[in-house]
Amino acid sequence: AQKITQTQPGMFVQEKEAVTLDCTYDTSDPSYGLFWYKQPSSGEMIFLIYQGSYDQQNATEGRYSLNFQKARKSANLVISASQLGDSAMYFCAMREGYNQGGKLIFGQGTELSVKP
Amino acid sequence: GAVVSQHPSWVICKSGTSVKIECRSLDFQATTMFWYRQFPKQSLMLMATSNEGSKATYEQGVEKDKFLINHASLTLSTLTVTSAHPEDSSFYICSAREAQAGGYGYTFGSGTRLTVV
Repeated sequence: AQKITQTQPGMFVQEKEAVTLDCTYDTSDPSYGLFWYKQPSSGEMIFLIYQGSYDQQNATEGRYSLNFQKARKSANLVISASQLGDSAMYFCAMREGYNQGGKLIFGQGTELSVKP
Repeated sequence: GAVVSQHPSWVICKSGTSVKIECRSLDFQATTMFWYRQFPKQSLMLMATSNEGSKATYEQGVEKDKFLINHASLTLSTLTVTSAHPEDSSFYICSAREAQAGGYGYTFGSGTRLTVV
């Protein structure tokens, strides 16, 4: 069963506007971590933001914020003031449990295109 | 910050030959290494997890005899694609975890684009 779901294969946003990328997850483990990564065409994985299941507040990192709705099992990424350099693939990922070797499972990804 | 050096960045090999991909953690000890495969415009699919000094744990559907993983030291893990075929052409990327890393302590290599001709 798919544990991480990104339902938007592609998204367009106008430069300087905000955009929300959707991510839903499924787990029965009370301890888990949620991640967002950016992958430009070069292929490197760039860590953007992390949310732990016990974190009380939504994570923020500069222009990135994570809208964590635990009851709905969603962890949407909000990018404010989009820039042309934000055009890339974005992946949501989950780590189940809190052991040191927990594997990351990725969603299908969303391709974001920022228009000038 | 933590860095994982992955080599080669790209490789072209003939069908039937073997290819080795290396991932080195430069400034930390990678107790756990994850190997992923990614086809164009698709997600990262976990192939296997390896812990230093132990045999790798392969995900369902991944041929362990075809994708050999060695994690003999805390700073080096290798993936060998044996008897490569065109369908093995893909982007391979590693991710390392340090023993005392925080909840989000994953460091990715830069990836290897493999083309089998």
